[in-house]
Formats: sequence, C-alpha cells, structure tokens
Amino acid sequence: DAGVIQSPRHEVTEMGQEVTLRCKPISGHDYLFWYRQTMMRGLELLIYFNNNVPIDDSGMPEDRFSAKMPNASFSTLKIQPSEPRDSAVYFCASSLLGVGNGYTFGSGTRLTVV
Amino acid sequence: AQSVTQLGSHVSVSEGALVLLRCNYSSSVPPYLFWYVQYPNQGLQLLLKYTSAATLVKGINGFEAEFKKSETSFHLTKPSAHMSDAAEYFCAVLPGNNNDMRFGAGTRLTVKP
Repeated sequence: DAGVIQSPRHEVTEMGQEVTLRCKPISGHDYLFWYRQTMMRGLELLIYFNNNVPIDDSGMPEDRFSAKMPNASFSTLKIQPSEPRDSAVYFCASSLLGVGNGYTFGSGTRLTVV
Repeated sequence: AQSVTQLGSHVSVSEGALVLLRCNYSSSVPPYLFWYVQYPNQGLQLLLKYTSAATLVKGINGFEAEFKKSETSFHLTKPSAHMSDAAEYFCAVLPGNNNDMRFGAGTRLTVKP
C-alpha cells in the first residue's frame, strides 16, 4: 500500500483565497483524521470521520474551515477565506478500528498564507 | 477522559548515551499506548505500540518502552543514541473502547556529536 497520500505537499496562497487540501486514506481503513500542527499549539485534531461520516468536528477553528469525505478513498479540508494565522502543516491520518491499531499519517501539507 | 503528559519538551544527549523520553498517561479504561517519531518535514511514523500483550515493547531503530501500570508510565528508551535519532517524539494514548487517540505535546531530541 502507498500509505496515506496528501496533496499538495506545499501550498502558498494569498490571504482571502480559498485553499483545498486533499487526502487519500489507506484502502480499507474506516477512520480518517485531519490534524493541524504549529509550533505554538502543537498537534491539534480538527475533525475525524468514521465510514465517511463526520463524528467530531469540535476542533475545527471556525466556520472558515470545512471538511468533506464524499467516499471511502477521498477527503478534503477547505479553508475559505484563508488568513495568515492558518499557516501550519496539515496532516491527514487514517486507521482501522481494532485492537490497538495506531494511526497512519500522511506526509502533510505545509500551508503558507501571505 | 484519557490524556498523556510528556515530561520535557527538549532532551539533549551525546551520541552513544542513553536516551530516556518520559510519558505518563491517564485513562479510565485499559489503554493502548504508542510512541511516534517525526523527522523534519515529515509526518508522524509509528515507533512502537503497547497492546497489553507484553509490558516491554520493542520498536524500530533500537527503541523500546515499558508499560508500568502502577506508575501510569510508558517511557521510551534507547541504550545508545545515534545522530539519526534526532527528531520529535510523541507519546499517544488510545482508550480500549474507542478510536479517539490523544497525543502528548512532543519531546524534541537533540543528539550531540
């Protein structure tokens, strides 16, 4: 398996623009997670899905952030409009619910909003 | 609710010295515990995990961790540090009854030549 695939690896955008981050989880995994990592706040869980259904979005910072999972093999995280404080590394992870299964992380998308 | 506390945001050791990264957890149910490593500009990679089979768990790159229920600890060790071990290390707890993993704040390991 190719692992969790995220695109793009790097994104530089201007304040006010819409940004879409993409994630392809490992085939067969039934959970998908979106995390944000910054120096100040560390690793923060934004939202997670189970069988394509959003379960907990309490970590989404504000209404400018939205996430979808239209099918088991694809998810998006959208920021509209983007702001400089959204600059961070965004990780997607997937897992299969079971005894002690960990999460598999993608390589992340480094977002810079100027 | 479950959580983990990593003691020390930065640890510095000399090459060849013992590595000890500390993690304490709290969980209302028997937990599964994990250590992840993050190299610069990369995602988190699973180093090892405790799933109640054995209290001493061996992972990749010579790392191991011991689950101590009485101390609610899951410290990560390596007998001899290598320059390539320089990275950030995250401890995480997963309760046995759901899939909501909680991560510690991370410990940055520096290895001096």
